[in-house]
Amino acid sequence: DTEVTQTPKHLVMGMTNKKSLKCEQHMGHRAMYWYKQKAKKPPELMFVYSYEKLSINESVPSRFSPECPNSSLLNLHLHALQPEDSALYLCASSQEDSYNSPLHFGNGTRLTVT
Amino acid sequence: DQQVKQNSPSLSVQEGRISILNCDYTNSMFDYFLWYKKYPAEGPTFLISISSIKDKNEDGRFTVFLNKSAKHLSLHIVPSQPGDSAVYFCAAQLMYSGGGADGLTFGKGTHLIIQP
Repeated sequence: DTEVTQTPKHLVMGMTNKKSLKCEQHMGHRAMYWYKQKAKKPPELMFVYSYEKLSINESVPSRFSPECPNSSLLNLHLHALQPEDSALYLCASSQEDSYNSPLHFGNGTRLTVT
Repeated sequence: DQQVKQNSPSLSVQEGRISILNCDYTNSMFDYFLWYKKYPAEGPTFLISISSIKDKNEDGRFTVFLNKSAKHLSLHIVPSQPGDSAVYFCAAQLMYSGGGADGLTFGKGTHLIIQP
């Protein structure tokens, strides 16, 4: 069982829908990440939150909106997505955003945009 | 039980020499392997990957070797440069034929220090 829980596991949404991906960890980690992975490609970093503050935004379009309500939760709000946004969205956490903090990944949300 | 192991927490290499970072895995179902590099206060960034159908992948100064029978992979950096000083994470993934995948399983990382 993964210690980083992502819900839902699968999501199908239309281009006009608004949906949210959720991520939760109870390991006391202070850094949380969103990654996007297309088929047969490595995961690409989207956002990094450190101590509940957004520290890195890798030039992600505004139709993806992250939110960190508290140190255990990380959301990714989706609005007006495009079919090319269909991918596996991975959440990760680490003890702190520094050296030798291994990443713990969730199992991802498989998103399909129709 | 750790499925991806990086047994060297740190490695010190002289500038200009070859850096070799090692990674072992236990799950024979893994079929995609990645190396990530992480600087302090930054998110991990992808470096290089290799599919289980290959035994070598090269990108500039970085080469990843995969030995499936030994369940071992290694990252070679040559020549090593001061900017290579970072923590390197090995990761493994199980890819599904339909294009989906399990989440990544990461090793604990190796701190590479390049000395001038």
